[in-house]
Amino acid sequence: EVQLVESGGGLVQPGRSLRLSCTVSGFSSGDFSMSWFRQAPGKGLEWVGFIRAKRDGGSTEYAASVQVRFTISRDDSKSIVYLQMNGLKTEDTAVYYCIRGGYGDRFDFWGQGTLVTVSS
Amino acid sequence: QAVVTQEPSLTVSPGGTVTLTCGSSTGAVTSGHWPYWFQQKPGQAPRTLIHDTSNKLSWTPARFSGSLLGGKAALTLSGAQPEDEADYYCLLSYSDTRLWVFGGGTKLTVL
Repeated sequence: EVQLVESGGGLVQPGRSLRLSCTVSGFSSGDFSMSWFRQAPGKGLEWVGFIRAKRDGGSTEYAASVQVRFTISRDDSKSIVYLQMNGLKTEDTAVYYCIRGGYGDRFDFWGQGTLVTVSS
Repeated sequence: QAVVTQEPSLTVSPGGTVTLTCGSSTGAVTSGHWPYWFQQKPGQAPRTLIHDTSNKLSWTPARFSGSLLGGKAALTLSGAQPEDEADYYCLLSYSDTRLWVFGGGTKLTVL
């Protein structure tokens, strides 16, 4: 059974950093592209970025709103995909979702999301 | 960046048919935008209903179908059920910029 479980969310002050984890099971994380989406409270969905599968070189792409500040990486030995968020802003407050897919793979399975609140 | 547009809200009667659309500020939506449709119910994570314009996932109810219609991506619900009341989001790929862009979502009411 495919499962994705996000963790690492919480309250953080503006300008600080936070790292989210997405632990996957039921498939090999390196065999698929993996993406992060987010949803601000009461708002719509926003694509954050993706990391390509190993077969495609494992490179990354990001939305303009997070380019430079956010980094997606993976540790396939642990079946974890990370979202490193630096220089957080209040507008980064959202539920962050991990999704399988994004480049060469369809978006199919979603995690349950983890809430990040950026506030002083 | 491209802007993806959806109807903010729609209402359908139980058992009725409704079509949600997804347009692009850059022109006609084509299969090359790899259109997706997602459903989100209150308090839940979204789930994928349609990928690549018209392809369903194993959990997608048969009453949902995807297509291209009049230069837009479309999601048609035939035989609406009360449990279909939800927010629906479309997602398009802009491969020239390697970006994915969501529409603002359609709040579908079954009433």
